[in-house]
Amino acid sequence: DSGVTQTPKHLITATGQRVTLRCSPRSGDLSVYWYQQSLDQGLQFLIQYYNGEERAKGNILERFSAQQFPDLHSELNLSSLELGDSALYFCASSVEPYTEAFFGQGTRLTVV
Amino acid sequence: DAKTTQPNSMESNEEEPVHLPCNHSTISGTDYIHWYRQLPSQGPEYVIHGLTSNVNNRMASLAIAEDRKSSTLILHRATLRDAAVYYCILRGRGSTLGRLYFGRGTQLTVWP
Repeated sequence: DSGVTQTPKHLITATGQRVTLRCSPRSGDLSVYWYQQSLDQGLQFLIQYYNGEERAKGNILERFSAQQFPDLHSELNLSSLELGDSALYFCASSVEPYTEAFFGQGTRLTVV
Repeated sequence: DAKTTQPNSMESNEEEPVHLPCNHSTISGTDYIHWYRQLPSQGPEYVIHGLTSNVNNRMASLAIAEDRKSSTLILHRATLRDAAVYYCILRGRGSTLGRLYFGRGTQLTVWP
């Protein structure tokens, strides 16, 4: 158990819908990262937050957004979902941006 | 991001040592060498990291070349549970970004 909790574990939704993925980082970790992993692709960095502020953006679509709340949990919002958005979405956290990161078990999103 | 080069795949027999190589010829003086692994259908798992000296923990050992342009992750006695994709990643000390760049990694197969 990494200490990072992601909910829900599985999500099935229709095209055009909107979903919210939630991440609770390890206690004391200020940095939160979101990654997407599709079947035919590796782990793609989406976005990073540090103590409530956005710090870095990767290959995140405009239909996607995220935020980190004062209690440090984070949410990833995916809207106008397309079939190609079906993937595993991982959240990770670390004490500082350069220290070891710990990953959650992921949310498997299936868009039908 | 400074890039790393790893073999696509390696094989080992159970209970034998495994040496997973990684080349990082463009490493900077402040880059830490991190290793993560991803078991099937799970989130990436932190394994070990180091800067200049060799490092040991309960999971593995990390041997770093004197010029730091390469490193080797050593699993002392491979088990079936060690079958995973192993990623070698550089992270800059003091970096405010902290993004982990996951390349293709090395797929390790362990035979019983």
